[in-house]
Amino acid sequence: AQKITQTQPGMFVQEKEAVTLDCTYDTSDPSYGLFWYKQPSSGEMIFLIYQGSYDQQNATEGRYSLNFQKARKSANLVISASQLGDSAMYFCAMRETLQGAQKLVFGQGTRLTINP
Amino acid sequence: GAVVSQHPSRVICKSGTSVKIECRSLDFQATTMFWYRQFPKQSLMLMATSNEGSKATYEQGVEKDKFLINHASLTLSTLTVTSAHPEDSSFYICSANRDMGTGYTFGSGTRLTVV
Repeated sequence: AQKITQTQPGMFVQEKEAVTLDCTYDTSDPSYGLFWYKQPSSGEMIFLIYQGSYDQQNATEGRYSLNFQKARKSANLVISASQLGDSAMYFCAMRETLQGAQKLVFGQGTRLTINP
Repeated sequence: GAVVSQHPSRVICKSGTSVKIECRSLDFQATTMFWYRQFPKQSLMLMATSNEGSKATYEQGVEKDKFLINHASLTLSTLTVTSAHPEDSSFYICSANRDMGTGYTFGSGTRLTVV
């Protein structure tokens, strides 16, 4: 079963608009972490934002915020005031510890294209 | 900040040969490193988790004899693709974590082409 699900293969947004990238997850670990990474065409993985399962407040980092709805098991990324440089692949990831082993697994990704 | 160095960035090898990819944490000790494989336009698939001083834990479907992982020190993990075939051509990327919090740092990746 897919642990991390990103249902939007591609998103097209006008520059300066806000965009929400969806992510849902599934885990039995009560102490998990959720991450968003940006991957430009160069292939590097750029860390954007982190949300711990026990964090009461939604995480924010500059133009990035994470809409964490624990009961729905969703962790959507919101990018405000999008810029042309935001065009890239975006991956949602989850860290969980099962049977003493730590794993970091990724969703399928969403390709975001910002149009001028 | 935490830096992970991955080498080589690109490698072309002949079918049947072996290739070693190195992943080094430069300014922190990494008790755990992850190795991923990414095909074009796809996600990162976790291949294995390597822990310093112990055997790597491989994900289901990953051949441990083909993808040898060694984590001999707290700053170095290596992935060796043995007897490489064209279908092993892919982007391989490592990740190291410093602690259980947000400290996951990725290497810059290795693009392997087997001809």
